[in-house]
Parts: sequence; structure tokens; C-alpha cells
Amino acid sequence: GNSVTQMEGPVTLSEEAFLTINCTYTATGYPSLFWYVQYPGEGLQLLLKATKADDKGSNKGFEATYRKETTSFHLEKGSVQVSDSAVYFCALSGVGNQFYFGTGTSLTVIP
Amino acid sequence: EAQVTQNPRYLITVTGKKLTVTCSQNMNHEYMSWYRQDPGLGLRQIYYSMNVEVTDKGDVPEGYKVSRKEKRNFPLILESPSPNQTSLYFCASSLSGPQETQYFGPGTRLLVL
Repeated sequence: GNSVTQMEGPVTLSEEAFLTINCTYTATGYPSLFWYVQYPGEGLQLLLKATKADDKGSNKGFEATYRKETTSFHLEKGSVQVSDSAVYFCALSGVGNQFYFGTGTSLTVIP
Repeated sequence: EAQVTQNPRYLITVTGKKLTVTCSQNMNHEYMSWYRQDPGLGLRQIYYSMNVEVTDKGDVPEGYKVSRKEKRNFPLILESPSPNQTSLYFCASSLSGPQETQYFGPGTRLLVL
């Protein structure tokens, strides 16, 4: 079946630190992969996505590369800001029309 | 403004009292979906709909019903709520399927006593 595994949180970083949030997946076929972000008190919004192997999604300084060989889609940012504090969800859309989220990783960036 | 709206935003109810959470989108999207968010479990899909009169189960459909009589609306029905349905619920929509960007509503926080 389909599933997404994210690194456990919470993660606390100082401003300007490097961020990596690990995400691996299990899926049949060739899924599309996503990172969604949830800011405090809000609904989710798409951060970035990749639809095929070796694609790199990027937005707001965040990047993730679709690695089929390692079934991974790790989220990275070179220099985090306080405004990046949020919960980050890795997700996949596979064969069929269901959608699967990981458990989420809470990030707090301190000045 | 393009948006997904949910009502109510907060709801406290008692076990067994039927309730409906409404969801509406103004973007002419075909795909709509309901999720529940629980601590440590992330978001899990309850039901989704590919278009009017086309609905299907997600990962956790037990205890829920949905309908899609109009393209813009996708209500979530709990016919006999139980305490284990206490959760934060999100409705989402996308243009044609989950592979497209999903736009989320603000959430409905439900407490079942």
C-alpha cells in the first residue's frame, strides 16, 4: 500500500541555520510527491511538489528532490527564518485518487 | 476571492447527536476531500469526490458519510458521533485530482462528549 514516513519532531533551530526534514515513501506505481505547510492556526497550503523521479520542487527557498532509488523526498532550506516556524507535512498522490500525508514535523525557529 | 469555506469552525456536541459540517468552494474544482488531523497521526483522508455524485472512501471512512449533489458543496455527515471522532477536520479542493494543488479550508474543531 501507500504510506509516507517523516522524521519525528519537534525540530528547533536558530535563525539562519540549515534545515533538513526527512521523508520517505512507499507506493505502487509512480506517485507525485508534495510538501504542505501549516502555519499556526491555519489550514494547510502547498509548499512544493514533484511529479516524477529526479524532479526538484522549490519555493520560498525550500527545495526537495524526488529520489526514486531511495524512495525519498527530503525537504531542505539553506537559511531558516523565524517566519518559517510551522508544521511541515510530506504527502503523496499515487495510483487512484487517494492522498496520503505523513505525520508532520513541527519546526520552531528561534531568533 | 478564491477560497474553501467550512462551517462551523468550532462545535461541541454529545454522543449520538447527528451533525453536518459544510464545505464549499468557489473555484469550480472537481476534486474535493475531507481529512481529519489528530496529534501524532497527521492528516488522514476520510472521503473524497472526483465530481458531482462521485464519492469514494479514503483511509478512515467509518462513522462518516458524504454527499456531492452540487459541484461546489461537499458536506461531511456524522450520523451518530462518538468521542473518538473528536478531531480537527479539514476540507480541501483541487482542480481535477489529488495530484493537483489542494486548497484547504480553515478547519473545523469538533469535540464529542
